Amino acid sequence: DSGVTQTPKHLITATGQRVTLRCSPRSGDLSVYWYQQSLDQGLQFLIQYYNGEERAKGNILERFSAQQFPDLHSELNLSSLELGDSALYFCASSVGRLYNSPLHFGNGTRLTVT
Amino acid sequence: AQSVTQLDSQVPVFEEAPVELRCNYSSSVSVYLFWYVQYPNQGLQLLLKYLSGSTLVKGINGFEAEFNKSQTSFHLRKPSVHISDTAEYFCAVARQGAGSYQLTFGKGTKLSVIP
Repeated sequence: DSGVTQTPKHLITATGQRVTLRCSPRSGDLSVYWYQQSLDQGLQFLIQYYNGEERAKGNILERFSAQQFPDLHSELNLSSLELGDSALYFCASSVGRLYNSPLHFGNGTRLTVT
Repeated sequence: AQSVTQLDSQVPVFEEAPVELRCNYSSSVSVYLFWYVQYPNQGLQLLLKYLSGSTLVKGINGFEAEFNKSQTSFHLRKPSVHISDTAEYFCAVARQGAGSYQLTFGKGTKLSVIP
């Protein structure tokens, strides 16, 4: 158990809808990262937050947004969903921004857009 | 920008045989290197990492990897695999000095251990 909790585990929704994925990092971890895993693109970095502030952006679509709250949990909001957004979304956390602190991954949220 | 190429998408190997999973990277700057493992229906777990120092890195579950700067490779090896090693393995790089932990992942190699 990595200590990173993601909810829900599965999500099925229709095109055009909006969903929110939630992540609770490991106790004491200040950084939260979101990754998307799909068959064609592989694992893609979306966005990183550190202690409530956005630190880095990757291949995140404008239809997607995220935030990290004062209690350090994070939410990834996906709107105007398209079939191609179907993927496994992972949250990861680490103590800080240094590479000596390992990245711990949750078990992911599987999103299916129909 | 960095990129990672995992040369084999699938590797079948018999139990107790040795295995090597290949990873090559491309980067114009120095990088940190990682191997992660993903078991079915689970998140990724860190196997080992190379930050600096000795180019031979030992990780969990008997795995090791060797950083070869001239060949820009970071191949993962295990001398004797077990059924429980069946999983997908991801090589990843991160740019040194970036100040954050943005990993660029390879497409993954599925290791199937045959009894």
